[in-house]
Amino acid sequence: AQTVTQSQPEMSVQEAETVTLSCTYDTSESDYYLFWYKQPPSRQMILVIRQEAYKQQNATENRFSVNFQKAAKSFSLKISDSQLGDAAMYFCAYRSDNSGNTPLVFGKGTRLSVIA
Amino acid sequence: DVKVTQSSRYLVKRTGEKVFLECVQDMDHENMFWYRQDPGLGLRLIYFSYDVKMKEKGDIPEGYSVSREKKERFSLILESASTNQTSMYLCASSPSGTGLNEQFFGPGTRLTVL
Repeated sequence: AQTVTQSQPEMSVQEAETVTLSCTYDTSESDYYLFWYKQPPSRQMILVIRQEAYKQQNATENRFSVNFQKAAKSFSLKISDSQLGDAAMYFCAYRSDNSGNTPLVFGKGTRLSVIA
Repeated sequence: DVKVTQSSRYLVKRTGEKVFLECVQDMDHENMFWYRQDPGLGLRLIYFSYDVKMKEKGDIPEGYSVSREKKERFSLILESASTNQTSMYLCASSPSGTGLNEQFFGPGTRLTVL
């Protein structure tokens, strides 16, 4: 079974600085899909960014970008110009099925604090 | 605006009670999911459904059942609630079509079993 590992239970960053959250996964598949979700203190999970494994170019969404290293099975999230509203739990997730009908497999999360 | 709603934000039940958690989505999604979220454990899948009346066990189905009689509604049932089922329960839905499809989450139900 696929597993997703987030090795940093908690991290903190100064406002306006950059922070990188780590994620590694275990799979024998060659094609798969990776996601980062954010769960603010209000608890509604929202998608931050996603990436298909066969696309080598790293995905970017405004201040959020990923560093996808397929050989290392690593999918880290970089947040630039951190803002107070970025404080949240961040979950890395994996899906192998290309039909979209299977659930995401989540890591245990990283709690990010932003210091003013 | 897409929406997944859950029947309660907070729920307190007694040990042994039958508990129903309801989830409704308005996006005509084929797939619906129930997760349990506990500190330090992340999200663990309880059950999911890829079509009406279809269900699949997830990683931790023991003590739970589900029902999906209509496409938009997916219910989680605790047949006899126990204190170790005190948790945050998250419902999600997603469309079929591609592995890149997003899962949309509801706000969660914080269940306390006394």
